[in-house]
Amino acid sequence: QQPVQSPQAVILREGEDAVINCSSSKALYSVHWYRQKHGEAPVFLMILLKGGEQKGHEKISASFNEKKQQSSLYLTASQLSYSGTYFCGTEGNSNYQLIWGAGTKLIIKP
Amino acid sequence: GAGVSQSPSNKVTEKGKDVELRCDPISGHTALYWYRQSLGQGLEFLIYFQGNSAPDKSGLPSDRFSAERTGGSVSTLTIQRTQQEDSAVYLCASSLALGSAYEQYFGPGTRLTVT
Repeated sequence: QQPVQSPQAVILREGEDAVINCSSSKALYSVHWYRQKHGEAPVFLMILLKGGEQKGHEKISASFNEKKQQSSLYLTASQLSYSGTYFCGTEGNSNYQLIWGAGTKLIIKP
Repeated sequence: GAGVSQSPSNKVTEKGKDVELRCDPISGHTALYWYRQSLGQGLEFLIYFQGNSAPDKSGLPSDRFSAERTGGSVSTLTIQRTQQEDSAVYLCASSLALGSAYEQYFGPGTRLTVT
């Protein structure tokens, strides 16, 4: 089942904060976050693993609530370069297959 | 170093024709993935390869789709008897190894249009 991302879209002013959520109906082993700019390939942001291990860019923070099968990506003091569509990919049962959400479109205005 | 490359970048084909899409992963990456992305949608997993092991084909949407990886490097995704619903961007990604903790590096994609 495809994870549900919310919000579908958000518009921010430069410097504002945003939270993007990813929710699954199934137990999760890992959650992966990527950002895709229009016409470009997705770029890695963060991996969160069951048990608490995280791997990602220093300026990105995220959380993973295993019990609720939810993850949130926190974007603070947003910059124009943060604009793009954010996708979460979820993995259940350590099967290495990522099931992707429909994406959250983030627009940052100066 | 060089990233993941894909060719062609764009492909327009007539319904019923076969197409081949190519992916060159990052050198030294043993895991390779194929995804399909329809307009405005998320990515749909198709298949992954890990080294010389048998691939996980469970995401392939029909038996018209097949993929191979030669010598543990270059991969080709073949779509036979293309249909209009096959129109999408096909993305390839590679990672250092197969595992939940490994980030995937994506290629620029091949935009397939079936007329």
